[in-house]
Amino acid sequence: QITLKESGPTLVKPTQTLTLTCTFSGFSLSTGGVGVGWIRQPPGKALDWLALIYWDDDKRYSPSLKSRLTITQDTSKNQVVLKMTNMDPVDTGTYYCARWDNDAFEIWGQGTTVTVSS
Amino acid sequence: QSVLTQPPSVSEAPRQRVTISCSGSSSNVGNNAVSWYQQLPGRAPKLLIYYNDLLPSGVSDRFSGSKSGTSASLAISGLQSEDEADYYCAAWDDSLNGWVFGGGTKLTVL
Repeated sequence: QITLKESGPTLVKPTQTLTLTCTFSGFSLSTGGVGVGWIRQPPGKALDWLALIYWDDDKRYSPSLKSRLTITQDTSKNQVVLKMTNMDPVDTGTYYCARWDNDAFEIWGQGTTVTVSS
Repeated sequence: QSVLTQPPSVSEAPRQRVTISCSGSSSNVGNNAVSWYQQLPGRAPKLLIYYNDLLPSGVSDRFSGSKSGTSASLAISGLQSEDEADYYCAAWDDSLNGWVFGGGTKLTVL
C-alpha cells in the first residue's frame, strides 16, 4: 500500500522559510519513472503545482515560484523535502505531496495546512 | 486565471450524465496527457483519469475521459449524491515547463 504524509509547521511568519517534509512508504523514489510532487491549495481556491522531483533526481519548478523553491530527496529515509523562502500571507493554504507516475499525480497525501501570519 | 479553463460549476439530477470541459492550448492539452482529479469536501484530491482516458484501479467506470485537440472532457454517468465534489484537470505545459491545473469545477447533484 502506497501512502504519503506531509509534515511541517502550521504557522510561519512573513519572510521566513517554510520547510515541508513528505514521508512516503510503499514505493521507492529510486524506481525508474516515478516522482514526488508538491501541490498547494489556498483556501477556497484551485490547486497550484509547485515542484516535482524525479527518480533520477531531475527537478522541475513552477516558473512563477522557481526562485523561492528547493526540492530535495533523501532516498534512505523515503522523504522528499520542499523549502520555500520569503513566505508571505498569500502563501497560506494546504500543501500536498503526491506520487507521480504514468504522467499523473497518482496518490496524494492528506495535506498539511500552513498559515503565514505575524 | 488558470492556464486550463474549466466551467466554475455544473449541476445535474441524480442518475443523469454530466460532462466537465477542460480547455487548453497546443502547449499543454494539445500535446500532453490530461489527468482528472476529484476533491471531495475537506479531502485531498484523488486521481480519476490519467493518460486522457484511463481509469486507475478502483475508480468507478461511471467516470470516463476523452480528449480532442486542445480540449478534454470528464464525463460522469449515473450521477450519485456522493459525486458532489470539485473536479480538476491537469497537464504538463511545454512552454511553461511545468504542470498546470484547471481552475476547478464544482459539481452539484440536484
